[in-house]
Amino acid sequence: DAEITQSPRHKITETGRQVTLACHQTWNHNNMFWYRQDLGHGLRLIHYSYGVQDTNKGEVSDGYSVSRSNTEDLPLTLESAASSQTSVYFCASRVTLNSPLHFGNGTRLTVT
Amino acid sequence: SQQGEEDPQALSIQEGENATMNCSYKTSINNLQWYRQNSGRGLVHLILIRSNEREKHSGRLRVTLDTSKKSSSLLITASRAADTASYFCATDVQEYGNKLVFGAGTILRVKS
Repeated sequence: DAEITQSPRHKITETGRQVTLACHQTWNHNNMFWYRQDLGHGLRLIHYSYGVQDTNKGEVSDGYSVSRSNTEDLPLTLESAASSQTSVYFCASRVTLNSPLHFGNGTRLTVT
Repeated sequence: SQQGEEDPQALSIQEGENATMNCSYKTSINNLQWYRQNSGRGLVHLILIRSNEREKHSGRLRVTLDTSKKSSSLLITASRAADTASYFCATDVQEYGNKLVFGAGTILRVKS
C-alpha cells in the first residue's frame, strides 16, 4: 500500500544546530506540504511544493527551508534550531489540489 | 489568522450519544474537509464536501455546509469510545494558492 513516512519520529537537538526532517511518500503525488502543530494553533503551513524543483513559503516559513529533487521526498531543514521551533511536524501529500491530504505520523522535535 | 475555527474546543459525551462539532470560516471556499487525529498520530481524512453541496454522509458521519453563513457541522451519530480523538476542519481556498488551511480543532472524548 502507498504511504507517507516521516523520520525520525522523535528528535532532540540543541539550539543553533541544523536539523533535517525527512518525508518520503510512495503515492507519487506532486503536491507535498509541511505543517507544524502546536497547542492552540492547530496546524500551520511551513512550506509546500507542487512538483520537482518547485518550493513555496507558507505562513510560518522563517527559519525553515525545503528542497524537492524528486517526486517522493520533501526534506525540511531547520537552518539554526531555536526553542520556538519545538513542535510536532507533519508532512502531507495529495494527488491534486482540492483533494484530501494524506499525512505522515509526525516528528516530535525538541530544541533545548 | 485562521480560516477555519471549530467549536466547541472540547466535548465530552457518553457512548451512544451524538456528537456535533461546528466550523466557521471567513472567505469563499472550493471545498471543506474534516479530519480526525488520534493521540500521537497523523491526521486522517474523513469527508470532503464541495462548495455546491449542502450535505454529505459517510457511515455514522454527517456533514453539512452552509456557504451563506460560512459554516459547516460534523455530526457523529451513536458515538463509540473509539471516536475519542481531535477533529479538524480544513478549507481549500483558491485565493490562498490552493492550500488547505486548518482550524484549531475540537477534542472529543467519548466515555464508555
